Parts: sequence; C-alpha cells; structure tokens
Amino acid sequence: DTAVSQTPKYLVTQMGNDKSIKCEQNLGHDTMYWYKQDSKKFLKIMFSYNNKELIINETVPNRFSPKSPDKAHLNLHINSLELGDSAVYFCASSQSDRGFSPLHFGNGTRLTVT
Amino acid sequence: DQQVKQNSPSLSVQEGRISILNCDYTNSMFDYFLWYKKYPAEGPTFLISISSIKDKNEDGRFTVFLNKSAKHLSLHIVPSQPGDSAVYFCAAMNYGGSQGNLIFGKGTKLSVKP
Repeated sequence: DTAVSQTPKYLVTQMGNDKSIKCEQNLGHDTMYWYKQDSKKFLKIMFSYNNKELIINETVPNRFSPKSPDKAHLNLHINSLELGDSAVYFCASSQSDRGFSPLHFGNGTRLTVT
Repeated sequence: DQQVKQNSPSLSVQEGRISILNCDYTNSMFDYFLWYKKYPAEGPTFLISISSIKDKNEDGRFTVFLNKSAKHLSLHIVPSQPGDSAVYFCAAMNYGGSQGNLIFGKGTKLSVKP
C-alpha cells in the first residue's frame, strides 16, 4: 500500500486552465505539505497543514489554493495556469509539525503548461 | 538566496569505494540537518539526520558528519553500491520551529558504477 499517493502523475494542460492535484496519506500523520521542485531542482515548501489547519503559506500566488477536507487529504487547486507553473509538485506528510519526524513524500506530479 | 548549498551537481564513484557528498549552510539558526535520497520518478525518502549537538551520526553504511564552525556537513557512504545511485538532498531546519521551514539544497546526483 502506497503511504502517500498523489494523482495524477502527469498533467499537461494549456495556459489559463484550472487544474487540481490530489493527495492522500494512509500513515495517520497529522501534518501534510505541498512542495514545488522547479527547473533549477530546488524543493521549496508551498503550504503545510496540521490537522486540517493551514500552518505555512509561503509566498505563492493566490492562484494556488490548498484544500484539506480531512487530515488524510490535502489537494492543490491551481487557477489560471501560467507557463511558469510548470514543475514537479510533491505532496508529503509527517507525524507532527514540530521537532523532527521524517517527511514521507508522494511520487510527484509533473505539471507541464503549454 | 541559497541557505543550503550543494555545490557538486553530480558525483561518480566506483562500486565498493567511498562516496562523499558535501553540503554547506549559511543560516546559524539551523540546528538539525537531514539527508534525503531520491530515485527517478519517485519522491525523496529520508536517509539520515544529525542534531547540532553531535558531530557524527552513523547508520549502517551511511555516516553524516557535521562541522558547525565551518557550517558544513557531509554524507559518507561506505562501501558504495550501484543501488545507491540516486539524487541526494541535504536539508536543514531549526528544530524548535515548524518542519515546513525545512530548507533543501539542489541535490547531488550520485552514480555508482559496477
């Protein structure tokens, strides 16, 4: 059973469209995250949620909106897609938000905006 | 402004030899350091960590060394195996803060040749 699963794996879409990426974890973790890996290969935090509450919201455009219906799910909705949104998006979870507990990542969603 | 730097984008090592991956950081507030390993088309997985109160942590073939005065850490893999071929990300955080503030380096691609 996959611990952190995200769908779809690949997403190709045109500029201006709206798309969503879904993420689910079956580890019973309290905290979930969205990371973006851009063309320069940096992994950067976008959002983190702890027990369905937004903890971190980095300086991402407000076209990106996370939704956490329950603590096992954290979906990412992107409005009015732009070329610069092309990247690999990783969902992750951890047991808690504080101290250290390893991040468990999904396999990523490669978004290509044409 | 890169707070965590991995200046070698790639490293090639012969099977059985030692692999040494390096990482530098600039933020003095970082007191907990991690290495993640990533295979193609998969998410990163946690490998090993070290607290700033230690200068060495060992787990099987993997050892992380921390030099706080130089703001430098390294990951040693001995002996290297072909299955170790992956991208290795160094990451750093302030242990008392949110895990969402974990900062990743750009990664070093390790190739272990049989």
